[in-house]
Amino acid sequence: SQQGEEDPQALSIQEGENATMNCSYKTSINNLQWYRQNSGRGLVHLILIRSNEREKHSGRLRVTLDTSKKSSSLLITASRAADTASYFCATVPTGANSKLTFGKGITLSVRP
Amino acid sequence: DAGVIQSPRHEVTEMGQEVTLRCKPISGHNSLFWYRQTMMRGLELLIYFNNNVPIDDSGMPEDRFSAKMPNASFSTLKIQPSEPRDSAVYFCASSHRRPGTSNYGYTFGSGTRLTVV
Repeated sequence: SQQGEEDPQALSIQEGENATMNCSYKTSINNLQWYRQNSGRGLVHLILIRSNEREKHSGRLRVTLDTSKKSSSLLITASRAADTASYFCATVPTGANSKLTFGKGITLSVRP
Repeated sequence: DAGVIQSPRHEVTEMGQEVTLRCKPISGHNSLFWYRQTMMRGLELLIYFNNNVPIDDSGMPEDRFSAKMPNASFSTLKIQPSEPRDSAVYFCASSHRRPGTSNYGYTFGSGTRLTVV
């Protein structure tokens, strides 16, 4: 079953605009991760936020985590055409043998 | 480091044939994961190894699927016999330590696109 569910399923924006993608999950987590997948390629790890963190930045990426609402958001600022890809939220539930479980992803299209 | 290396990139086979997918993880990573991606079901974890030992194979769909990790630098996923519904992209990924005790991301290979006709 899917642990993380992303919203919206698809997003189309103009180059230069900001893109905000949301993720909700169901159980308590160790950490939450965001990945990008370009068409026909493997997934690339973007950023990881631990359960005791509320916000994290990496370049043009900003991730927030609200454990009380069991939700996270990924913000891409000043988007570029090269940001066009699918973005996945993935969670590691608490527990030593827990596994990274992915949502179904968000398709982001950035129009030049 | 060349990253996680998977082979072959593409495989087309006839129903009933045996298929073997291969993966070389990043040197020094202790955990290895096999995922399957389809449009309908998204990314599904099939099995994962820690220090070459299978930890969780609950995602392996049927007895037709088997996976091995004979050493720290090599793993295989075998499907025998293959069926058309096995058509998917199969990804291998590796990471430091097991997920529940680690705050590291995964490194994915480029995947093997399997088509069973």
